[in-house]
Amino acid sequence: DTGVSQDPRHKITKRGQNVTFRCDPISEHNRLYWYRQTLGQGPEFLTYFQNEAQLEKSRLLSDRFSAERPKGSFSTLEIQRTEQGDSAMYLCASSLFMRQGAAGANVLTFGAGSRLTVL
Amino acid sequence: SQQGEEDPQALSIQEGENATMNCSYKTSINNLQWYRQNSGRGLVHLILIRSNEREKHSGRLRVTLDTSKKSSSLLITASRAADTASYFCFTGGFKTIFGAGTRLFVKA
Repeated sequence: DTGVSQDPRHKITKRGQNVTFRCDPISEHNRLYWYRQTLGQGPEFLTYFQNEAQLEKSRLLSDRFSAERPKGSFSTLEIQRTEQGDSAMYLCASSLFMRQGAAGANVLTFGAGSRLTVL
Repeated sequence: SQQGEEDPQALSIQEGENATMNCSYKTSINNLQWYRQNSGRGLVHLILIRSNEREKHSGRLRVTLDTSKKSSSLLITASRAADTASYFCFTGGFKTIFGAGTRLFVKA
């Protein structure tokens, strides 16, 4: 297992186009997270999955954003009708989450990110 | 709302000096983690401290946790140019929220 992979690493698109990012998490991890990060800021939570179920979606997330994790493996994040304000680094992370009180902790392993530039 | 907020926002030191950065949080926690991010890359987990621990060491890293003040500090001793990065704290809760981070610049 080579860690969390994200594809593509860079994407340049014109405003109004749709883009899709893919994330392949660590295979034994049950949680997968998507973040957006702009220059000089910390990662902003977008959504996360536990196995194939999307458990939470940020209220700040526009309806133009949709994420899927079919079969609880890889995940895709699609942005429809892109806007210049969508330009950012999109980070994916995965973790092996255990219930409260169990051994271990929710340590995140991040991918290198997909940088989106909307012209 | 953000659960971790780092201080200072930026820190510039000479190689060999120690760097200290702080994190404050708002809710109860099971553990607190620190991550490092090199420019344009993903975050890398550095160290985790549990809520029943007060101090933890890992190599040149020392983390303290004061749950009564809801704060943590990360000390990097004998800093190197390669430590230049942004550092984030994360409370590992149900919502994974990061602060804006501390940008550390270590001058050779």
